[in-house]
Amino acid sequence: GAGVSQTPSNKVTEKGKYVELRCDPISGHTALYWYRQSLGQGPEFLIYFQGTGAADDSGLPNDRFFAVRPEGSVSTLKIQRTERGDSAVYLCASSLQGTRGGELFFGEGSRLTVL
Amino acid sequence: GQQVMQIPQYQHVQEGEDFTTYCNSSTTLSNIQWYKQRPGGHPVFLIQLVKSGEVKKQKRLTFQFGEAKKNSSLHITATQTTDVGTYFCAGITYNFNKFYFGSGTKLNVKP
Repeated sequence: GAGVSQTPSNKVTEKGKYVELRCDPISGHTALYWYRQSLGQGPEFLIYFQGTGAADDSGLPNDRFFAVRPEGSVSTLKIQRTERGDSAVYLCASSLQGTRGGELFFGEGSRLTVL
Repeated sequence: GQQVMQIPQYQHVQEGEDFTTYCNSSTTLSNIQWYKQRPGGHPVFLIQLVKSGEVKKQKRLTFQFGEAKKNSSLHITATQTTDVGTYFCAGITYNFNKFYFGSGTKLNVKP
């Protein structure tokens, strides 16, 4: 596709359940970021991948959150034992390798609601 | 830790008035970027500033990067209703691992 694709666009789940959010970046973009955005706030950094490896996962709030990018393309953000406070829009963004500080291309986001 | 503060939180202007949003970082940045997010949409890249004291213009938008590379501003001249949205700055660390987003300034333009 031409842009960053995120699925699902909306996810409603119950407290304590497991959730997976998927991101398909722009072809050829080796840098991939996950952000979380709460209502009225700016995007909050979660994790950054360069290729297959997590170059920086310092933004993950706790060990319930985990993300993978096994083949250096599609990434999955996994949230275990969801809590109501996890409700937010989860944004994925990709960027070209070698473009130092190059622009981020965001997907439409996955809106997670934990009841 | 790294923080990027942005003011004001909200701005309501009459169409044709000017608008400015300010961004301040607690530490020196490598680059700073600006994004616009329309209601219900996702952030869209506007511009990147790299050099100390840099000024860039895009039609009615003027972007500045401070001499110390710790602050930045976005100024819109003669706002239009199409300018409605939230404007975010994103400060970039020297290792390019993180983009620290400000909390955004939500602009409303009354016709």
